Order: sequence, then C-alpha cells, then structure tokens
Amino acid sequence: NAGVTQTPKFRVLKTGQSMTLLCAQDMNHEYMYWYRQDPGMGLRLIHYSVGEGTTAKGEVPDGYNVSRLKKQNFLLGLESAAPSQTSVYFCASTRGLAGGLAGTDTQYFGPGTRLTVL
Amino acid sequence: GDSVTQMEGPVTLSEEACLTINCTYTATGYPSLFWYVQYPGEGLQLLLKATKADDKGSNKGFEATYRKETTSFHLEKGSVQVSDSAVYFCALSSSGGSNYKLTFGKGTLLTVNP
Repeated sequence: NAGVTQTPKFRVLKTGQSMTLLCAQDMNHEYMYWYRQDPGMGLRLIHYSVGEGTTAKGEVPDGYNVSRLKKQNFLLGLESAAPSQTSVYFCASTRGLAGGLAGTDTQYFGPGTRLTVL
Repeated sequence: GDSVTQMEGPVTLSEEACLTINCTYTATGYPSLFWYVQYPGEGLQLLLKATKADDKGSNKGFEATYRKETTSFHLEKGSVQVSDSAVYFCALSSSGGSNYKLTFGKGTLLTVNP
C-alpha cells in the first residue's frame, strides 16, 4: 500500500494563477481532509469530506475549493492564488468508523505539498 | 470551541535526557486525545493516543496519560535519542457530531544532541 500520496511535492505560483493539488489514498478510507501548516500555527483544517460526493468547510476555507468525485481522491483547488496561501499543504484520511467511534481513529497523512505564491 | 495548548519550544536536550512536553485542552464532552510526530521533511504520523479518561497511550518509549481532572495529556519519555528529533503535535477529536475532525496544538520542535 502506498498509503496517502500527494501531487505535486513542490510548486511555485504567481499571484492570480490557479492550480489543483491532488490527494490519493489506497486504503479505502471514507473520510479525507486538507490541512495547511504555517509556522507557529500548527495545522488548520481547510476542507474535509465524509464520503464520495460530499465536502464541507473547515476552519480556513476561504480561497479554496475541493471535490471528491471518487472515493480515493480528494482535490484541493486554488482559483486565484494569493501570497497568503504560501504554505505546506497536507492531505489526510481516516476510515470513518460508525457508531460514534470516528473520533477515536487514526488519521493518515500524506508527505505534503510545499506551495509558494509570489 | 475546542482548543489545544502545548509547550511551543523549541526544546533542546542531550541524548538520554528526560522529556516532558505539556499539553492541555479545552473541549466539551469526552474527546479522544492524540500525539502526532512530524520528522523532518515528512508528513505527520500517529505516535500514541488515548480515547477515555485515565487511559495511557504508549509507543516507542513515549507515554501520555489522559487526565480529565486537569484536562491534560502530557508527553513523556525517560531517555531521548537523536532520532527523536522532530516536531510533536498534541491533538483532540471532539465527541458528538463533529468527532471526526482534529484540533491541533501549534507543535513543539524537539532537537536532541548527541
């Protein structure tokens, strides 16, 4: 199993450009997440999905869109990049346990995408 | 809302020293608590977790006990190694309807010198 993979690993954009980050998992996980990591801020949730075809906003969703057309993939889009979106982006997934147990489960993280917006 | 407060560091120790990284939380209900570790250039990975009060999570010589009375989940290791150098994140998942989302602390950078 590859686990959680992210594409690309690095990217430099100019202000106003658009791009899509791809996250793929091969563990048949139900839930997927996008976080951003900034110095001194920890990880902050951007968007998440609790199943194929569903998405929801997290803590810092502005300027980002997401799609989950296939269970194994979760895409993060930046329509018009801004320097404030310079960050390291992490995707994660978890099984999505039923019966109130979802919160006890481990999240599995990808290796990250380092994005710089000039 | 839910929040996690942890020692911000950086923490620098010599090999074989004792480690404690403090973590306290604010949450309603009965959250699950986690420590994740991020080695240089990598994503986060679970180090240990505890899902109810008084549970002790342990892994790779690290331990943390879920203390509901003090709302704490401090990470400890009796003898650190150079290979433990990493950023450590305390996190919680809420009980109830949004229990699949994690709230993270800001992270603590640990450097262990030989």
